[in-house]
This record gives sequence, C-alpha cells and structure tokens, in this order.
Amino acid sequence: DAKTTQPTSMDCAEGRAANLPCNHSTISGNEYVYWYRQIHSQGPQYIIHGLKNNETNEMASLIITEDRKSSTLILPHATLRDTAVYYCIVNIQGAQKLVFGQGTRLTINP
Amino acid sequence: ETGVTQTPRHLVMGMTNKKSLKCEQHLGHNAMYWYKQSAKKPLELMFVYNFKEQTENNSVPSRFSPECPNSSHLFLHLHTLQPEDSALYLCASSQDRAGGRGYTFGSGTRLTVV
Repeated sequence: DAKTTQPTSMDCAEGRAANLPCNHSTISGNEYVYWYRQIHSQGPQYIIHGLKNNETNEMASLIITEDRKSSTLILPHATLRDTAVYYCIVNIQGAQKLVFGQGTRLTINP
Repeated sequence: ETGVTQTPRHLVMGMTNKKSLKCEQHLGHNAMYWYKQSAKKPLELMFVYNFKEQTENNSVPSRFSPECPNSSHLFLHLHTLQPEDSALYLCASSQDRAGGRGYTFGSGTRLTVV
C-alpha cells in the first residue's frame, strides 16, 4: 500500500504557482520523499526527491516540513504542459520497490 | 526520449496468441522493472530484475513470463492472456541501490487483448 495521501485533483491557472500537498505521517527516518508525474499515456517522469531539507531543481521545488510528516511540490510557473498526474512516494533511497498511489490529477487552465 | 525504449508502442492480440514486449535501456542502469497500469488504477509492480537476476515477482500469473538476458534488455513474454490483462505495460530502470534520481520509465506498450 502507498504510504502517502494526496488530493485526488487540483486546478491551477497557467503562469501561477502550483502547490501540490502530500501527507506522509508514517514516514521512517531513512525514507526519502520522491515526486514523479505522468502525462497522459506516457511513463512516469522523475521530478525531485528529498530527505529533510528543501530541494530545488530546474523543474520544481520540494518543501518538507520539519517533522517530515508532509511535503509540498511547487511548480513555480505552471504551463499547460504541466497538466499530469503527480505522484508523491516515500521510499528508502535505492530500494527497488517503488509503490505508486492514485496521485493528484493537476489540470493547468489557460 | 527518456533513455528507456519500449516496443511495440501498441499491441492487439487474441487470447490464444503469443507475443513479447521488449524494453531496452542504455543508461548503464543495473536494475529493470515491469509495471502494469490498468485503467483508473495505480501502477502495479510486476517484476524486478537486478543484475539480470529476478528479485521480485509480485504474484503475477504465469501467463506473463519475464526474461532478462542482460542488464540492458528486458522482455515480457505473453501467452493465453485474458481481456482483463489489457493495460499499459511500463518498463523502468534504475541504478542498483545507488538511489539518486530514482527510476527512468519508458513510454509503455498499450496492450489490448481481444
């Protein structure tokens, strides 16, 4: 079973920041938070991951709360191409059993 | 292109047919995976291969038979499938236990069993 809880769907206006929440209250000390997204009929794409510090890369920022029980993925300037299902996954780094939940269906509106 | 290539992209097969799905990666990864994604369901892990050895079989029916001849290639042999096996089959690869950027997925094979 997935160890995370995400809203089923969200909408965001094009050009605005999209903030996707994820709850992972049972996360263990050695588990990382990973984010992937899946654009319609394609394979999932890695976005970002982190342990306890906030992370930023060319795609997104990841904010992890101090108690590590929740996190937020931020797409700073959403475009129509960011419409996808976003998956938040907790996993031990290098563990070979990535378990996907239902994810959040993010729709970017013009 | 992600670096993980799956062929064919689409496949229609009868219940008595035998077919194979192919996955190829040249990312230098040591682990490869098969996932199944049925309509409106989360991705389900089917098989895991690590350095060509199968390390996980997630209670997959025997009509699905994986093969991993080397760390760059992975096959899924299909025979006597059922209509409920229609799904998107995704292949992924990762660097063994080094973590980091996680998995790289292919674009999948859309399978329809008639």
